[in-house]
Amino acid sequence: KAGVTQTPRYLIKTRGQQVTLSCSPISGHRSVSWYQQTPGQGLQFLFEYFSETQRNKGNFPGRFSGRQFSNSRSEMNVSTLELGDSALYLCASSPSYQETQYFGPGTRLLVL
Amino acid sequence: GENVEQHPSTLSVQEGDSAVIKCTYSDSASNYFPWYKQELGKRPQLIIDIRSNVGEKKDQRIAVTLNKTAKHFSLHITETQPEDSAVYFCAASNTGRRALTFGSGTRLQVQP
Repeated sequence: KAGVTQTPRYLIKTRGQQVTLSCSPISGHRSVSWYQQTPGQGLQFLFEYFSETQRNKGNFPGRFSGRQFSNSRSEMNVSTLELGDSALYLCASSPSYQETQYFGPGTRLLVL
Repeated sequence: GENVEQHPSTLSVQEGDSAVIKCTYSDSASNYFPWYKQELGKRPQLIIDIRSNVGEKKDQRIAVTLNKTAKHFSLHITETQPEDSAVYFCAASNTGRRALTFGSGTRLQVQP
């Protein structure tokens, strides 16, 4: 099976802009989680979707949002970008709720 | 919420030696403990995981042990090889809140 894919892989934005990142889970996987990875804060949980419903949310401001489509693909959106949003954004998929998570390659976002 | 502490932050060993990475968690409800390996510029890859009903799990040169009473778990790599060099992350989650809480990572360097 093909692994988790994420697009785009690299992105440069300026402060105040908004960005949308996409994640396609492994075929048959219904759960998608998003994580932010930075050198200072490490890997932090953003949110999880299962069957198009957000099941969990991490401690991030409302500028971070997401959604999941009926084919399990997921998008996350960050509005009004700040310099501190520069990070590697990883999504992970799992077959069902409460199962092992497999990560995608990530989208590296740089905010200038 | 859950807090996972990981030690050491860096570890240098000679090829063929063993490496041990330790993590402690705070939430007694945590019942799933995966370990991920992340090479530079690549996605985190699951290398082994353990659930709270098991005390130890092995997969070739890799083993994980769990002590629920003390709330700590460890990764053991035997006969280390240069290709084991990477950053290793421990994580914890529970049935109620499946989001992974990650440790801060251990940079393992295996010297040939």
